[in-house]
Amino acid sequence: QKEVEQNSGPLSVPEGAIASLNCTYSDRVSQSFFWYRQYSGKSPELIMSIYSNGDKEDGRFTAQLNKASQYVSLLIRDSQPSDSATYLCAVNEGGGGNKLTFGTGTQLKVEL
Amino acid sequence: GAVVSQHPSWVICKSGTSVKIECRSLDFQATTMFWYRQFPKQSLMLMATSNEGSKATYEQGVEKDKFLINHASLTLSTLTVTSAHPEDSSFYICSEDLAEETQYFGPGTRLLVL
Repeated sequence: QKEVEQNSGPLSVPEGAIASLNCTYSDRVSQSFFWYRQYSGKSPELIMSIYSNGDKEDGRFTAQLNKASQYVSLLIRDSQPSDSATYLCAVNEGGGGNKLTFGTGTQLKVEL
Repeated sequence: GAVVSQHPSWVICKSGTSVKIECRSLDFQATTMFWYRQFPKQSLMLMATSNEGSKATYEQGVEKDKFLINHASLTLSTLTVTSAHPEDSSFYICSEDLAEETQYFGPGTRLLVL
């Protein structure tokens, strides 16, 4: 069974700090990885996608992928209170079906 | 990203009734849409893959006769929860599958069965 693991948190960081969110996955054939942000009571919104090993930066967000270690992370620089949400890691299981397996999410709290 | 709408945004119904949820792709023609369910403080669980013009593909453990999916056009997929019971109360979310393997989610429908 394909699994995506995340620490449920909450992860508390002060405003302006770097928040580091981690995710591991079990299926070695996975090729596509996504981070979604979900505010309470809302549906997920896409933050980042990453397909190759290394770092991918978009504004204050950096996704990091290490396929050998089956590890993907999301760094949020200069964290703001508005970043407080649950961050879901999702892995495309491959095979052309585009089905995503989601982790349980990490709750992030950015404190003033 | 893609724009996906859902209707209704929330619904309360009596046990035993059926509820239809619509998912519309507003800017792309979606041959494939996905239906998810999310219980409180849990992650998204894929229920089924909706395929335009053909039968939906259901995940293991999801009753196809209870959760009816119709994808009659490239912009509309519907999920009908038949004979709803309180344990079906959940947050139902659809997503649109784009060519670059990225899924964009609708705003979700919150169902409460009394």
